[in-house]
Amino acid sequence: GAVVSQHPSRVICKSGTSVKIECRSLDFQATTMFWYRQFPKKSLMLMATSNEGSKATYEQGVEKDKFLINHASLTLSTLTVTSAHPEDSSFYICSARDQISRDEQFFGPGTRLTVL
Amino acid sequence: GENVEQHPSTLSVQEGDSAVIKCTYSDSASNYFPWYKQELGKRPQLIIDIRSNVGEKKDQRIAVTLNKTAKHFSLHITETQPEDSAVYFCAATSYNFNKFYFGSGTKLNVKP
Repeated sequence: GAVVSQHPSRVICKSGTSVKIECRSLDFQATTMFWYRQFPKKSLMLMATSNEGSKATYEQGVEKDKFLINHASLTLSTLTVTSAHPEDSSFYICSARDQISRDEQFFGPGTRLTVL
Repeated sequence: GENVEQHPSTLSVQEGDSAVIKCTYSDSASNYFPWYKQELGKRPQLIIDIRSNVGEKKDQRIAVTLNKTAKHFSLHITETQPEDSAVYFCAATSYNFNKFYFGSGTKLNVKP
């Protein structure tokens, strides 16, 4: 149980285009989903916290107009990187918290974004 | 906000030896401390966690200790095996579980 999927696993796009990444909790309902960014050999940097049905809370320094987050249901959150630039290239990982077991969060497999 | 520091950044041990990774946190309101193992190119996997009302927790070869007064917690791996080689992250949550703050990670290398 407690499986989180992420799609796509890899994406290559041209500079200036937008990319949408989906995060789904497959067998549980997630009231809260988190979006992280991870640079090579670095830790996970929290970008934003999204709660179902409400606006995401962004961490300081993260542009909300560039990284659009939507959490439309208890099983799906999306991150859209708008007008992507090469510096947006990174590994993006989502996680979801089971609303019943409030402590643990379960991670998706991540999305490798490369912007040319 | 919370600040989690993790040491060492790299750790090399011989197979069978023990490994200890230490973390400190700054927010006394944090009350949940998970540890994650991340293999190259894969998602972080929870390996053990501890809540602030407990001082120690053990699961086979893995144990975690928490000192609330000093605001530090440690991961202990005994009888290390090559498959323990990975990057380990500690984390701490804010009191309402809305944010997880991660340490900078420790790359553990277990030499056969």
